[in-house]
Amino acid sequence: NAGVTQTPKFRILKIGQSMTLQCTQDMNHNYMYWYRQDPGMGLKLIYYSVGAGITDKGEVPNGYNVSRSTTEDFPLRLELAAPSQTSVYFCASSYPRDSTRSGNTIYFGEGSWLTVV
Amino acid sequence: QKEVEQNSGPLSVPEGAIASLNCTYSDRGSQSFFWYRQYSGKSPELIMFIYSNGDKEDGRFTAQLNKASQYVSLLIRDSQPSDSATYLCAVNPPRGFNKFYFGSGTKLNVKP
Repeated sequence: NAGVTQTPKFRILKIGQSMTLQCTQDMNHNYMYWYRQDPGMGLKLIYYSVGAGITDKGEVPNGYNVSRSTTEDFPLRLELAAPSQTSVYFCASSYPRDSTRSGNTIYFGEGSWLTVV
Repeated sequence: QKEVEQNSGPLSVPEGAIASLNCTYSDRGSQSFFWYRQYSGKSPELIMFIYSNGDKEDGRFTAQLNKASQYVSLLIRDSQPSDSATYLCAVNPPRGFNKFYFGSGTKLNVKP
């Protein structure tokens, strides 16, 4: 039961570097999300996708890009890393709103800890 | 105004007591409400969801929803030290895609 898998778990970046956080899910969920969580704070939505080929911005999209070429994969790209992007990143997935499966809930990956120095 | 508000705590209760966690939300049309538990350094995990006004019980956990007051709560009976974590309230707004707004979480400490 893999669920939502994220890699890498930990990464240190230098200011100005770029990297991609990988995310894959095996639950055949249509919807996928990227959140960031700063220390002591809640989850902020960065980008989301309602299906392959469709992505949209969330609350805090600046400095990030995403793509969704398959149902399973939803990578998050950080361009020109800045110290403000130091955070924990969670990928998540869910069924569409009207589905009664799984209580219409959202499932999270284990998180990726990113430090920009 | 934040979509979802929670008291950050920490809320400290003795082992065996009832812990009461509260959450308010701003969109009156919201229909789905969720409680997640997050241990330090871990990802959020679902405890309960509730759609209808009233109470929903699952083991030691009871979720309470009052749509008129835009208020959701989570009661943990017979609190255990293993319940010590941050509890996140999440709300699914009534329109658009399946988006989830999260509160900033309430930290619960259960003292042995």
